[in-house]
Amino acid sequence: AQSVAQPEDQVNVAEGNPLTVKCTYSVSGNPYLFWYVQYPNRGLQFLLKYITGDNLVKGSYGFEAEFNKSQTSFHLKKPSALVSDSALYFCAVRDMGGGQNFVFGPGTRLSVLP
Amino acid sequence: KAGVTQTPRYLIKTRGQQVTLSCSPISGHRSVSWYQQTPGQGLQFLFEYFSETQRNKGNFPGRFSGRQFSNSRSEMNVSTLELGDSALYLCASRGDTLSSYEQYFGPGTRLTVT
Repeated sequence: AQSVAQPEDQVNVAEGNPLTVKCTYSVSGNPYLFWYVQYPNRGLQFLLKYITGDNLVKGSYGFEAEFNKSQTSFHLKKPSALVSDSALYFCAVRDMGGGQNFVFGPGTRLSVLP
Repeated sequence: KAGVTQTPRYLIKTRGQQVTLSCSPISGHRSVSWYQQTPGQGLQFLFEYFSETQRNKGNFPGRFSGRQFSNSRSEMNVSTLELGDSALYLCASRGDTLSSYEQYFGPGTRLTVT
């Protein structure tokens, strides 16, 4: 069965510093990988996706993510964090070899400190 | 295009009652998925509908059901509510083919069961 792990419940970073939010996955087939962000009392907003091709994908709001097949990871990164980036971040995988459901990680709360 | 809309946004029900939540997908999207979000369990997949047919179902009891109409609008119903059903229920729509990638989420319906 497919699964997604986000090893850190909370990530704290100072404004202006680079940030990384970690994600590892397990699927039976080729993974389609996604990052979403959730602000308080809001639904999830799509940030970026990896389907195929270049391992470094760029998304909304200056975020990017690096797909690493050998480490089964898809870490979210941003070169310079903003206070407004503080939110709950979810990694998700869609197993194209399985039932094709979306499976979400538990979420990582990012706090960017001014 | 207008985003995914969910009604109502907030709902308070009593244990034992039933509830119906509504979701209108992005125009042209034929896939609608439902998720339950709770602090303890995170985001859990309920079911997905595509062209009025249930394609996938998560691991929830039969008290949780759904349907999709010809205009792609979807409803989910929870019967015999339990305190543990208190959650944010999120609806997400995908494009007009089964291979459409990212999901777009609505703002959610916050259900409180007392």
